[in-house]
Parts: sequence; C-alpha cells; structure tokens
Amino acid sequence: GQNIDQPTEMTATEGAIVQINCTYQTSGFNGLFWYQQHAGEAPTFLSYNVLDGLEEKGRFSSFLSRSKGYSYLLLKELQMKDSASYLCAVRNGGATNKLIFGTGTLLAVQP
Amino acid sequence: GAVVSQHPSWVICKSGTSVKIECRSLDFQATTMFWYRQFPKQSLMLMATSNEGSKATYEQGVEKDKFLINHASLTLSTLTVTSAHPEDSSFYICSALSSRSSGNTIYFGEGSWLTVV
Repeated sequence: GQNIDQPTEMTATEGAIVQINCTYQTSGFNGLFWYQQHAGEAPTFLSYNVLDGLEEKGRFSSFLSRSKGYSYLLLKELQMKDSASYLCAVRNGGATNKLIFGTGTLLAVQP
Repeated sequence: GAVVSQHPSWVICKSGTSVKIECRSLDFQATTMFWYRQFPKQSLMLMATSNEGSKATYEQGVEKDKFLINHASLTLSTLTVTSAHPEDSSFYICSALSSRSSGNTIYFGEGSWLTVV
C-alpha cells in the first residue's frame, strides 16, 4: 500500500515560522512535491525535492530525507494569505509516474 | 496564464444523467493526464491515469464503467461521470505531465465542481 501522512491542522501566528511534516511509504519514489491549495481552487506548485537535503525558495523551504521517508515544508515570516491547505505529494516513478497526494494540512495563520 | 484548461468550471446535473468534463493542455503535448477527485476538507484522491491512445488505468475502488476516461489526442482527455448520483458531487481536477519535461513539471487544471441534484 501507499501512505502519505501529514498533520490534519496547524495554527501559527503572523510573522512566525511553521514547519509542516510529511511522512511517506510508497511502492516507488521519483520525487516529492509540495503544493498550496486555497479552498475551491486548484493546487499551486511550491517545491520539488528528488535528492536529500534542503531546497530554499524565498519564504518557503522544503527538506527531504529519502532514507527516512520524510519531508517537511518550512514557511517563514508567515502572512495571513498563507492560510491554506498544504499538500505533500509523491511521484511513484515507474511506467505511470503518477502523483499521489497526502492527507493535506490545513494551516490557519492568526494575527 | 493557464497551461491546462478544464471545462466546465462548474456543472449541475440531475441524478441519473451523465456529464462530461474536458481537460486540455494548451501549449504542450500531454501523453499522460491524471484525474483526481476531492471532497470537501479532504485531499486529492487519484482516480485514474489517462494515457493517449490506450485505455486508462484506474485506481483501486474506482469504477471504470462509471467514470469513463478518453484520451483521444495528445492535448485532450475527458472524464464522463455516467448515471450520476448525489454522492458523485465533488471537485474534479485533472493534471498533465508535459512530454517535454525532465520529469518535474506537472500542470493542474482549474478544476470542475460537479453538483448532482
């Protein structure tokens, strides 16, 4: 089977830093993605990791450890507009190369 | 601008009827497209993988006779929900894998809201 787990909900304060964790067990691995999704809208791409380590892009950073089946998304200098769902997704490689999404984390940023 | 277009954005249909949702890649060829369903406050659930010129591959638990997928060209995949019921009401979204990409370019459509009454 395939499992991609995230905390269901998180709350953080404007201006602070928040880390959203993702653990995965999949039949194959060909990269891990993080997406942001506002209610009723399509997901928007945030980051992509295929090798171990930290990828930084502005206020957002993503980390991957393939041996541990673990990733996190780090959001710095939180803004109110960062309130959204954050989805971790693993591409399983192979012939289909399909993208499997995690359970998603609903982040609420408070003043 | 959008590189994957979905149509319609929202649709209301009567129970028992069929509804078709289109997913088009606008400026690239997509040999593979994916269809997802998302219920309120839940994550995206992969329904099927659509391959141009061949039969779709369905995920476990997804009825292939109810959710018909056709990928007739390199830029168009369609999902038809047949004999729709209220429990089929959901947000349906497609994504496309660019055949030119090195592997990390997946584009999402805008999504389609289906309400079955």
